[in-house]
Amino acid sequence: AQTVTQSQPEMSVQEAETVTLSCTYDTSESDYYLFWYKQPPSRQMILVIRQEAYKQQNATENRFSVNFQKAAKSFSLKISDSQLGDAAMYFCAYRSGAGGTSYGKLTFGQGTILTVHP
Amino acid sequence: SAVISQKPSRDICQRGTSLTIQCQVDSQVTMMFWYRQQPGQSLTLIATANQGSEATYESGFVIDKFPISRPNLTFSTLTVSNMSPEDSSIYLCSVNRQGFDEQYFGPGTRLTVT
Repeated sequence: AQTVTQSQPEMSVQEAETVTLSCTYDTSESDYYLFWYKQPPSRQMILVIRQEAYKQQNATENRFSVNFQKAAKSFSLKISDSQLGDAAMYFCAYRSGAGGTSYGKLTFGQGTILTVHP
Repeated sequence: SAVISQKPSRDICQRGTSLTIQCQVDSQVTMMFWYRQQPGQSLTLIATANQGSEATYESGFVIDKFPISRPNLTFSTLTVSNMSPEDSSIYLCSVNRQGFDEQYFGPGTRLTVT
């Protein structure tokens, strides 16, 4: 079974600074997807960024980028120019690329609470 | 993207009663998923609901406690039966459209059992 580990329960950053959230995962599969989700106090799960395992290039979405190290099974999220609205719980998630009964199921890490200081 | 609504958004229920949560999607989807998020915790998959077949439950979750219906390709319900305070959680509906990488979530239902 796949596992996802976020070793930072809480992180903080000053507004306009850069912060990196860590995530490691364990899998024996070669085809999979990795995601970062943001959950503000409204509890709505918002997709921040995704990475396909077969792609070597790190995904970027505006101020958000990932450092995907497939051999090390590491998937960190970098938030640049942090804004007050970035404050939320961030979850790292894994999804198998296989079909059948595994299709679409997400395995989540424990989450990291990000605080942004003005 | 997919727009997902859930009803109710929150509820306070007495132990021993049942609550049915509805999930409505604005487009047809093959698979719908129900997750539970206990207070301060991560999300755990309860079951996968496919239209026209029985729901598939994850380890630790049983149909008698969490019966699921999936009458069509845009709607599903999750019932939390014979509730106890340990069932106090946020319940989230999620969908994944075949061929699309993204997974979308509803706004969640916050359940408190007293």
